[in-house]
Amino acid sequence: AQSVSQHNHHVILSEAASLELGCNYSYGGTVNLFWYVQYPGQHLQLLLKYFSGDPLVKGIKGFEAEFIKSKFSFNLRKPSVQWSDTAEYFCAVNKAGANNLFFGTGTRLTVIP
Amino acid sequence: EAGVTQFPSHSVIEKGQTVTLRCDPISGHDNLYWYRRVMGKEIKFLLHFVKESKQDESGMPNNRFLAERTGGTYSTLKVQPAELEDSGVYFCASSRPSRASGGSSYNEQFFGPGTRLTVL
Repeated sequence: AQSVSQHNHHVILSEAASLELGCNYSYGGTVNLFWYVQYPGQHLQLLLKYFSGDPLVKGIKGFEAEFIKSKFSFNLRKPSVQWSDTAEYFCAVNKAGANNLFFGTGTRLTVIP
Repeated sequence: EAGVTQFPSHSVIEKGQTVTLRCDPISGHDNLYWYRRVMGKEIKFLLHFVKESKQDESGMPNNRFLAERTGGTYSTLKVQPAELEDSGVYFCASSRPSRASGGSSYNEQFFGPGTRLTVL
């Protein structure tokens, strides 16, 4: 079945540690890729997106993600996390020609000060 | 510009009762989406409105769920009768009309805060 996989369910890091959250998808054809973040008590917000072009995309708050087509992956990275990055992160895929998003199960990130 | 709003923020009902969730999209956004997240699972697409028309309702779980968007403004999602497995967080999102980007259509979706539904 077509799906979006986020293998890390809960990640705990100390401040200043580097972060990489994995995301793999299994859809064929052209896709648009997204990372959303939900901070405690807040709504889902778009962190960054990839449509085409440079496979390394930069988002808000120092986050970046790399699209590797051969691996069907779109991993999220941040070189140095802060306590305020504590949140749940969702990878999502939009198939070309469709409007709805397919989400992964989410990764909860806890950053310890 | 006001964001997407949802009401109520939390609803607790008993199995067999009816609940109606409301979503007010961002003004001018023709596209409105409903998603649901059951605890521990992924956020799943339920349906998509373009103005008042249902564009895609392939994600609706069964006929106990009824979504409406009369007048193409706010939308309601009614669950009748509610079952235990309907518990979860129901998200609404809205977006502007489709535009082409990199050869594929895309709508950036803006999400509401969600309604947490608990069915006892």
